[in-house]
Amino acid sequence: EAQVTQNPRYLITVTGKKLTVTCSQNMNHEYMSWYRQDPGLGLRQIYYSMNVEVTDKGDVPEGYKVSRKEKRNFPLILESPSPNQTSLYFCASSWGGEETQYFGPGTRLLVL
Amino acid sequence: LAKTTQPISMDSYEGQEVNITCSHNNIATNDYITWYQQFPSQGPRFIIQGYKTKVTNEVASLFIPADRKSSTLSLPRVSLSDTAVYYCLVGDRTSGTYKYIFGTGTRLKVLA
Repeated sequence: EAQVTQNPRYLITVTGKKLTVTCSQNMNHEYMSWYRQDPGLGLRQIYYSMNVEVTDKGDVPEGYKVSRKEKRNFPLILESPSPNQTSLYFCASSWGGEETQYFGPGTRLLVL
Repeated sequence: LAKTTQPISMDSYEGQEVNITCSHNNIATNDYITWYQQFPSQGPRFIIQGYKTKVTNEVASLFIPADRKSSTLSLPRVSLSDTAVYYCLVGDRTSGTYKYIFGTGTRLKVLA
């Protein structure tokens, strides 16, 4: 089954404790992206990647890092999480940057 | 970056046709218009995509006027299960970037 998976689905952590949210897709998509969703603000793009070793900032990249060492994986790294990064995070993938993106189930993060 | 504007919310009754309009005044020549549906605690799901005139698939129609500064998603004969948030998305492929701005979406509530 074609899908985008994220882990963990739920995470509670404390300020400053580094964490990684994994994202994997099995569709051989070149394009992958991370979004955060907050009440009243819709979906905002954090980072995206056009292919292996090619990443770029979205609208809200501050406080986040990403890497794309393999085509199927695109982890989101929070080096020093802060409470304002409490949010619902979605990973997505598509062919070559097309707008038809496939989204993962989401990761709900709470930073205390 | 082409930003989108949609109504915040809409109510409809089962069996009615629902039209949701999105404004995208700064749309670029190469941009496509894509609509997504999102249920609570799930990732957005692709509904339909178009470039100009009219596109129809098994779930919706998309109307795009000649100037492409707006688009209208049409959902025929909605049911309770169509209650969701609908996002209009215009891609930005200028300068080789692939940033996407989803906006805040339209919350559709279908009443019995």
